[in-house]
Amino acid sequence: EAGVTQFPSHSVIEKGQTVTLRCDPISGHDNLYWYRRVMGKEIKFLLHFVKESKQDESGMPNNRFLAERTGGTYSTLKVQPAELEDSGVYFCASSRMREAPVTGELFFGEGSRLTVL
Amino acid sequence: AQTVTQSQPEMSVQEAETVTLSCTYDTSESDYYLFWYKQPPSRQMILVIRQEAYKQQNATENRFSVNFQKAAKSFSLKISDSQLGDAAMYFCAYKRGYTSGGGADGLTFGKGTHLIIQP
Repeated sequence: EAGVTQFPSHSVIEKGQTVTLRCDPISGHDNLYWYRRVMGKEIKFLLHFVKESKQDESGMPNNRFLAERTGGTYSTLKVQPAELEDSGVYFCASSRMREAPVTGELFFGEGSRLTVL
Repeated sequence: AQTVTQSQPEMSVQEAETVTLSCTYDTSESDYYLFWYKQPPSRQMILVIRQEAYKQQNATENRFSVNFQKAAKSFSLKISDSQLGDAAMYFCAYKRGYTSGGGADGLTFGKGTHLIIQP
C-alpha cells in the first residue's frame, strides 16, 4: 500500500506570500495529523483530523494557518501570509481509527520543508 | 503537560558497535506509550520500537532494545551491532494511553538525536 505522501517536498517563498502544503494519508486512515519541526527544536503537534472533522487544533500557531480536509481524504495546510518564523519542516501523519488509541503508531510522510525568506 | 527530553543532539558510533540514545519524559499519567521513531535523510519517519507503560518487560525488536525505567521516567534506546543504515535522526515520543483520555492525542516528541555511524 502507498505510504503517506506530502507535496511539495521543499518550498521557498518570500515573507508575505502564501503557501499551501498537501498531505495524502494512507488509504483508509481516518486520523490525520500535522506536525512542524523548526530547526533544532522539537516536533510540535499542530492539529488532528478525524475524517473531515478537526478533532484537536490546539497546536495551530495563529490564524495565519488554515488546515482543511474536505471529504476526509487528503488535507491541505495553508500559510497566509507567511512569516520568517514559519520556516521549518511540516510533517503529516496518519493512522487507522481502530489502531490509534491502542498502539499509538502513526505513519509519517517525508515532510514538506518550508523556507520563508 | 507532558514533555520529552533528548539530551544528546548528536551521537557517533563505529559500525558493529553498540550505542545508547537517552530519553527522559515527564508525565503525571499512569497509562501511556513511549516510542522511538527513526528518520533517515530525506525519508519518512518510521517506528523503531514501542513500549506500553503498563508492561514491565523492556521491548525488543531485533538489534533494537529499550531500557524502560518507569520510576525514573527514562526510556533509552540501545542499538546493537550498529549498521550504516542505522544513520538517521532518532526521535523519542510519548502518547497518553486510552484510559488516560489520550485516545485522540497526537505524539509529544523530543528534539531528536542525530546518529552518525562511522564505517
